[in-house]
Amino acid sequence: GAVVSQHPSWVICKSGTSVKIECRSLDFQATTMFWYRQFPKQSLMLMATSNEGSKATYEQGVEKDKFLINHASLTLSTLTVTSAHPEDSSFYICSARDLDRSSYEQYFGPGTRLTVT
Amino acid sequence: GDSVTQMEGPVTLSEEAFLTINCTYTATGYPSLFWYVQYPGEGLQLLLKATKADDKGSNKGFEATYRKETTSFHLEKGSVQVSDSAVYFCALSEDGGNTPLVFGKGTRLSVIA
Repeated sequence: GAVVSQHPSWVICKSGTSVKIECRSLDFQATTMFWYRQFPKQSLMLMATSNEGSKATYEQGVEKDKFLINHASLTLSTLTVTSAHPEDSSFYICSARDLDRSSYEQYFGPGTRLTVT
Repeated sequence: GDSVTQMEGPVTLSEEAFLTINCTYTATGYPSLFWYVQYPGEGLQLLLKATKADDKGSNKGFEATYRKETTSFHLEKGSVQVSDSAVYFCALSEDGGNTPLVFGKGTRLSVIA
């Protein structure tokens, strides 16, 4: 089946530092990946749509200079949280759509828990 | 904009009990509807989906019927097991999943033996 991995699964960083989160499609190619953010007891909120070889599309209210997205290949997208602050602490989840499937099903990674101290 | 509302949890049931998790939606178009499940420590997995009115999605004993007249997509299972303990998310997509999903807040289900 289609598998999406995320690395790291959890990270603790100090305020002001940057953190990179990787999202990989392990056994399929994905031209489009989505980045979501999940707060405790709340829904997943879409942050941005990552397209291979082009700039990401950010949702309203998401700072593109703070949350840098790079989709450098058909199997890898990265989210970098720059100058992290405690309010950036959250659970970040990516999903990828299989290029070769017509069903448009999205496959989700296990998520990355970021804690900024 | 589009939105999904699902019942608040947590829901605690005994094994073999009947499960219903309510989900209603608002959408500008004609969305596809999904139920995702998240087991502890794992990513979201597609449980079932329906793409048009009166479609019934089913998988692993779970069912949900796309009700356009009531804008609902309630999840049901006749006899839950301990292994069904997870968080369940109702979601919609205006373009069959090609566009980003809009999620409900999730409902945590705990099944006790």
